[in-house]
Amino acid sequence: GDSVTQMEGPVTLSEEAFLTINCTYTATGYPSLFWYVQYPGEGLQLLLKATKADDKGSNKGFEATYRKETTSFHLEKGSVQVSDSAVYFCALLAGGTSYGKLTFGQGTILTVHP
Amino acid sequence: DVKVTQSSRYLVKRTGEKVFLECVQDMDHENMFWYRQDPGLGLRLIYFSYDVKMKEKGDIPEGYSVSREKKERFSLILESASTNQTSMYLCASTKAGGRANEQYFGPGTRLTVT
Repeated sequence: GDSVTQMEGPVTLSEEAFLTINCTYTATGYPSLFWYVQYPGEGLQLLLKATKADDKGSNKGFEATYRKETTSFHLEKGSVQVSDSAVYFCALLAGGTSYGKLTFGQGTILTVHP
Repeated sequence: DVKVTQSSRYLVKRTGEKVFLECVQDMDHENMFWYRQDPGLGLRLIYFSYDVKMKEKGDIPEGYSVSREKKERFSLILESASTNQTSMYLCASTKAGGRANEQYFGPGTRLTVT
């Protein structure tokens, strides 16, 4: 079945550091890929997405590129802020009829210190 | 502003009680989902619904049931709550079709079963 694997956390960084959170997936067909973010005390919200190979999703300084050859969708940001502290989830939407069901990774907790 | 609301943010119930978690969306979405979120396990799908009165099991349906009598409302029912159902419960909705439709999440209900 479909699966998503994220790098182990938690991740602790100083402000303005470079961020990478690794995400790899297993899926049949051609999935769409997403990063969701969960700020403390809130539900998840979409951060960025990509629907086909070599697409780059970007938002709020975060970027991720859909790499079919390595089945990866790593999240990056050049300079993190304290306000980026949150839990980050990688997810996939399988191709074909799936009723919009997402498969999520286990989440990575990011803490950014001033 | 689009919205998914959940009936309670925090809930404490006793073992054996019947528990109802309510979710309402105002976006006329066809698909609705119930997840539970546990540390290190990410989000796991309990049940989803793609239309009124239609439901499908997710990955961990045991001990849960659902009801969708109206398009905007999706209820999760714990028939006889147990301590291993202590968790964060998240409801989400999405429009049908498309390869990149965003799932919109409610703020979550933190359920404690004692």
